[in-house]
Amino acid sequence: QQQVKQSPQSLIVQKGGISIINCAYENTAFDYFPWYQQFPGKGPALLIAIRPDVSEKKEGRFTISFNKSAKQFSLHIMDSQPGDSATYFCAASIGGYSTLTFGKGTMLLVSP
Amino acid sequence: ETGVTQTPRHLVMGMTNKKSLKCEQHLGHNAMYWYKQSAKKPLELMFVYNFKEQTENNSVPSRFSPECPNSSHLFLHLHTLQPEDSALYLCASSLIGGSGGETQYFGPGTRLLVL
Repeated sequence: QQQVKQSPQSLIVQKGGISIINCAYENTAFDYFPWYQQFPGKGPALLIAIRPDVSEKKEGRFTISFNKSAKQFSLHIMDSQPGDSATYFCAASIGGYSTLTFGKGTMLLVSP
Repeated sequence: ETGVTQTPRHLVMGMTNKKSLKCEQHLGHNAMYWYKQSAKKPLELMFVYNFKEQTENNSVPSRFSPECPNSSHLFLHLHTLQPEDSALYLCASSLIGGSGGETQYFGPGTRLLVL
């Protein structure tokens, strides 16, 4: 019930391409869905987050798409750059309490 | 220093050793967390402290003992660890009750190797 399933495990995208990472959840009580980005040797850092009252949120080249009925959300990275190469984690939590349930992560490599 | 700091950054210990990991947050937050990050596994939440009180312990073995003396400092005391405990241990903090309170800020982690 608490699990968040993330795919793919790894992803290679050419520079300028679109990177897409997907997550699915079961617990309908989740109402906060952040994405974290982690570079080697660093801790995860919040990239972008969404709540279920909207279906899409965009910040620069990063967009979250949210499908409440399918219980899925995804991260789209437009015009992917080599500097975007990192591990990306989706997560979910129940509002008012900050315990996050994380996906397993996706290692993204953007080739020059 | 700003953000969330962790020391040491790397630690090698034998199974009979006792060591401690330290985390300090400089963000004025009131909640702190310990996570374990192993290869090809989701981030595993270990402990949660709200206002210095432990509010969550996710069935963590007793060889891991957390301590939160104040809202800015968090320790993880380690004793008689097993090789499978080798992992990256991440500390995080957040501001519960504030706007954006769900956002957790992570430290760089301590890479632990148990021999």
